[in-house]
Amino acid sequence: DIAITQSPSSVAVSVGETVTLSCKSSQSLLYSENNKDYLGWYQQKPGQTPKPLIYWATNRHTGVPDRFTGSGSGTDFTLIISSVQAEDLADYYCEQYFVYPLTFGSGTKLEIK
Amino acid sequence: EVQLQQSGPEVGRPGSSVKISCKASGYTFTDYVMNWVKQSPGQGLEWIGWIDPEYGSTDYAEKFKKKATLTADTSSNTAYIQLSSLTSEDTATYFCAMPYNYGRGLDYWGQGVMVTVSS
Repeated sequence: DIAITQSPSSVAVSVGETVTLSCKSSQSLLYSENNKDYLGWYQQKPGQTPKPLIYWATNRHTGVPDRFTGSGSGTDFTLIISSVQAEDLADYYCEQYFVYPLTFGSGTKLEIK
Repeated sequence: EVQLQQSGPEVGRPGSSVKISCKASGYTFTDYVMNWVKQSPGQGLEWIGWIDPEYGSTDYAEKFKKKATLTADTSSNTAYIQLSSLTSEDTATYFCAMPYNYGRGLDYWGQGVMVTVSS
């Protein structure tokens, strides 16, 4: 199984600041046939269902604000949230869908100072 | 519009079984696999398995092979997960989720069902 490691486990930032979340995979998630990384990011607000944010490591799902930016390739990935808003309070998970079994990172809790 | 509507909260006694549902609408049910994901209280997300509703084929994460059984009813466009031999470790929220757009991961999710194991 592909192991996914997220860091930090929690982070506190002030409104307007930028925060960087890390996600590392034990194997490359890059599919050579289409040069796509099968890595997604999800946002889960308290008491809510996970909401897809990013697919193929760098593409925003429809309706996701452009302050959310995914980057990286292979085994190292990053989610950058620019100009953090109070509404961004949530847990953030990365997930590999390169191969079954699907695996998720343990999440990063974003808190607002 | 793709929608996944899950059944209501369940309470099961230790050792018993529960079966929860996920009714799909807005797309052709047999064209997409349905995944199930577990979230224990205060914990992260765990993939349980998937079912192909057209053929009934399934795949499970190793730790859920003896715990979960996935089925699907194409006449009602509904996927099910049955959890057997319940223990306190099965207390969790269970989500159905499916990859509607190719390559975009699990882009549609049900609202989740809370299962509580209690005597």
